Amino acid sequence: QKEVEQNSGPLSVPEGAIASLNCTYSDRGSQSFFWYRQYSGKSPELIMFIYSNGDKEDGRFTAQLNKASQYVSLLIRDSQPSDSATYLCAVSPMRAGGTSYGKLTFGQGTILTVHP
Amino acid sequence: GAVVSQHPSRVICKSGTSVKIECRSLDFQATTMFWYRQFPKQSLMLMATSNEGSKATYEQGVEKDKFLINHASLTLSTLTVTSAHPEDSSFYICSATGDTYEQYFGPGTRLTVT
Repeated sequence: QKEVEQNSGPLSVPEGAIASLNCTYSDRGSQSFFWYRQYSGKSPELIMFIYSNGDKEDGRFTAQLNKASQYVSLLIRDSQPSDSATYLCAVSPMRAGGTSYGKLTFGQGTILTVHP
Repeated sequence: GAVVSQHPSRVICKSGTSVKIECRSLDFQATTMFWYRQFPKQSLMLMATSNEGSKATYEQGVEKDKFLINHASLTLSTLTVTSAHPEDSSFYICSATGDTYEQYFGPGTRLTVT
């Protein structure tokens, strides 16, 4: 079983729709959860992190965490063609409060395509 | 935000030669740097974690004698791929952390071994 699993997609949504990206993880000790966006040929860029159960919103992005179900998701509202990228879910065993999140374990990524 | 650079961005080398990749934190002191490898259409796989002034910690399955990591200062870590072979062709990405929680990623180095 992979430590962090994502549906590889591709997920295709029309412009203006909500894109829903999902991620499950196997290590119950995981404390912090991250969503990265990666454009082709580029390195990942952080979109959001979350470490408490529930929702966290930042602009058009909402991260949702359910530790009991070992599930984290990312919703992108009003999707734009520029959101087309691979979205990587990553988990860390460390929680905010230290000086580093330490090792990140990445999922395989979900390819999102937003078509006009 | 914090900036991490990598050099070179692309490198092509012949099989059997060694290649050095530099990772620099430009505006902060990086106490920890991470090296990842990403094959096409795959996710990032952590290769090793390095702390300034100490030996790197390698992930299981990563040959430490083949992938030499040096973190000699708080702003520079280097990854040397020794005796490179075509199967080492990949996208190598470093990241760094300082006083904040976030890992800042470099732009990556595309290595092609012919």
